[in-house]
Amino acid sequence: DIQMTQSPSSLSASVGDRVTITCRASQSISTYLNWYQQKPGKAPKLLIYAASSLQSGVPSRFSGSGSGTDFTLTISSLQPEDFATYYCQQSSRTPLTFGGGTKVEIK
Amino acid sequence: EVQLVESGGGLVQPGGSLRLSCVASGFTFSSFWMSWVRQAPGKGLEWVANIKQDGTEKYYVDSVKGRFTISRDNANNLLYLQMNSLRAEDTAVYYCARDKDEGPTLLKYWGQGTPVTVSS
Repeated sequence: DIQMTQSPSSLSASVGDRVTITCRASQSISTYLNWYQQKPGKAPKLLIYAASSLQSGVPSRFSGSGSGTDFTLTISSLQPEDFATYYCQQSSRTPLTFGGGTKVEIK
Repeated sequence: EVQLVESGGGLVQPGGSLRLSCVASGFTFSSFWMSWVRQAPGKGLEWVANIKQDGTEKYYVDSVKGRFTISRDNANNLLYLQMNSLRAEDTAVYYCARDKDEGPTLLKYWGQGTPVTVSS
């Protein structure tokens, strides 16, 4: 199985900060990498697919990059509604696997 | 508008069975793979299973193989997850999600989830 490792597991940031979350795959997954945002008590929401493609309706302050084994999700200017948990997910092969999540909290 | 509504969750004893359902609307159900994803209390997301448009291909995470069965009824836009021999570690909120039509998995739409608790 492909293991997905996210870092950090949590971070504290202020509104307006630039935030970067890292996801590493245990083997190359090309660009078969998606990012999701989840708020408490809610279903996950797709943000980024194929490593760098912004899902329709998602604000442009979100961006994704990377290929192979190393990927990043960047929020260019953190907004109050962005405080949530973020997950990466590889879609290269089954079983599909998620990273452990990064909780973004208010500083 | 795409909608996915799960049902069938509840409290079940270890070793028991439960069948989850997910009714889909707002898209051509038979054109998409469908997935189940679960989330244990306070934990991260875990993909459980997915099924091809016509039901001819099914894939599972190792921890549920031989115990869970994913199926679908395209005539009625329904997705199912039959869960047998349930264990405490199966306790989670179970989400159904619309998967890809082709290419790599893309969980673009999710239901609100149905909670399953396995406890005596």
